This record gives sequence, structure tokens and C-alpha cells, in this order.
Amino acid sequence: GAVVSQHPSWVICKSGTSVKIECRSLDFQATTMFWYRQFPKQSLMLMATSNEGSKATYEQGVEKDKFLINHASLTLSTLTVTSAHPEDSSFYICSARDPLLFEQFFGPGTRLTVL
Amino acid sequence: AQKITQTQPGMFVQEKEAVTLDCTYDTSDQSYGLFWYKQPSSGEMIFLIYQGSYDEQNATEGRYSLNFQKARKSANLVISASQLGDSAMYFCAMREGPEGGSQGNLIFGKGTKLSVKP
Repeated sequence: GAVVSQHPSWVICKSGTSVKIECRSLDFQATTMFWYRQFPKQSLMLMATSNEGSKATYEQGVEKDKFLINHASLTLSTLTVTSAHPEDSSFYICSARDPLLFEQFFGPGTRLTVL
Repeated sequence: AQKITQTQPGMFVQEKEAVTLDCTYDTSDQSYGLFWYKQPSSGEMIFLIYQGSYDEQNATEGRYSLNFQKARKSANLVISASQLGDSAMYFCAMREGPEGGSQGNLIFGKGTKLSVKP
């Protein structure tokens, strides 16, 4: 199956700093990528849909200025958590769909801890 | 109203036995897709099986089968011959809209934690 990579796999940062998470589709071109957030023992919540070459579409309640999404190429989307605070600590997972397939592939996730 | 409902927060099954994880969904679309994912403690989401709304036969993938009952809007996952490595969170998900193209996001249920006992 297709592979989606995510980097870093974990990050610890101080409150007030910004953190960038990269998501790459390794063997297919993803015109659309999705960013999810998962709190412990909870389900995945969609944060935003990232479209290559255009602005991301954010879900209700997700702060656009705090969670900056860039989808500059068909294989790379980035999520930047700006001015991170402890409540932003979570597991962030990206996902991409090969337009030729029905499957949606997930990255391994990034565990963010804000001190 | 929830789009995807998984009523079993946790399930136990004896090794080598079969187990059914429940999932019901709510949609007014005629075309949609149903998915099951496994999430072990490492966090990675592993795709297990897919059922399209127009598929007449239940999907099967190795030890996984999807019991699709369209009229009841249920898409239960059946795992046969459970193994210790099957212990994980299992999420049911739905994508509304016609297949094809790159649009449409997955909506997840709350998940079921499956524990396989030796």
C-alpha cells in the first residue's frame, strides 16, 4: 500500500514556541491531505483539509492562525503549531488519499508535548 | 447526531476465537464508503477493510470481514481466529459522497479497544 511519512515522530517544546510537522506521500501524488488531532483514548478529529496550491479548509472550532497549514507540492503538506501552549499537546496525524484509490493512508503520527 | 457510532468501548476475546466489533452509521447520501482501521499502541492507523455502499457482497480481507447490512446502516467488523497481536483500538469510519477523486474526508467513530486474552 501507499506510504505516508510524518516528521518528527515526537517533539517536546517550550510554551510560546512554534513547531512544524511535515507530512509526505512517498509513492503517490496527493492533491488532498488531511490533518487530524487525537487526544489520549479518544478518536481522531479532523482539523483541516489541505489542498495543493490553495488555502486549507479548517473545521469549525480550529484556529486558522494557530494551526498553519501549507500544501506547497503534491507530496508535502506541513502543519505549524504557532505559539504552542500546553493545551496543544496532542497526537497529530496526517493522512493522504491517492486519487486513484479508495483507501486513505495515514502517517505514523507526531506526538507533541508542550511544556 | 453522530455519524458513526461504536457502542463497545472495550471488548475481550479469547485467542483463536472470533469477535465482532459493532459499527452503525448515519448518512443521507446514497454513495458512501465504510472503513475499518486498527490503531495499536504505537499510534499508527492501519487500514483493514473497505466496503462501498454499492458493493453487494460483504468485503473480506484475510481474517477480517465486514458484515454490511445497508438497511440497518451497520458495518460490523468480524475478526476470525483472534491473535494476541490483534489487541488494539479499532475505529470505524465513513466517507460520504461518490468514490473517485481526492475529496471527502473520513469521519471516525469513538473506537473500540479490543483485548485478546491468551
